[in-house]
Amino acid sequence: DADVTQTPRNRITKTGKRIMLECSQTKGHDRMYWYRQDPGLGLRLIYYSFDVKDINKGEISDGYSVSRQAQAKFSLSLESAIPNQTALYFCATSDWGQGSGDTQYFGPGTRLTVL
Amino acid sequence: AQSVTQLDSQVPVFEEAPVELRCNYSSSVSVYLFWYVQYPNQGLQLLLKYLSGSTLVKGINGFEAEFNKSQTSFHLRKPSVHISDTAEYFCAVSYGGATNKLIFGTGTLLAVQP
Repeated sequence: DADVTQTPRNRITKTGKRIMLECSQTKGHDRMYWYRQDPGLGLRLIYYSFDVKDINKGEISDGYSVSRQAQAKFSLSLESAIPNQTALYFCATSDWGQGSGDTQYFGPGTRLTVL
Repeated sequence: AQSVTQLDSQVPVFEEAPVELRCNYSSSVSVYLFWYVQYPNQGLQLLLKYLSGSTLVKGINGFEAEFNKSQTSFHLRKPSVHISDTAEYFCAVSYGGATNKLIFGTGTLLAVQP
């Protein structure tokens, strides 16, 4: 079984709709992240959480919100989707504090299209 | 500002030829360096990482990278590529500290031709 799972894997929605992307992990890591990937731009950090009570904005958090329901679950919401939020979204976890240098482990991604 | 530069957006190479993918980062006292690979329609997979110790790091699938502090580089190499190595490769750096995060380069597409 995959250590980091994301649902859905693909989603097509319309402008103005609310969308939630979910991420679950079985790695037991405290830290979780949401990124978006756009062609030619690499990965950009949207939000990150160092534990259940610690949530922080990344470099491109406008238009997004998150919820850390448990150590293993971290959800990303688009309150009112717009076309320029069309992208590939990745969840990741990391095990900082165990000599890992913040090595991150990624889920398979969610391809979101906003029409 | 902390940054990672991958100068080559695409590297075409013939099968069984050697390849080097370049990565440079902005200078800092201590860094952790990573290479990730993304195969078509898949997530990112850790290829190798440098945390400390030997500057030559070996990873999966025959890849290796060398940390060069004076040149602030962490280039990825493979002596003989296969068609199956066709993928996008991302360099990433963490500048240390408990609250620091990974900064990714923009990626290099390795296109292996028969």
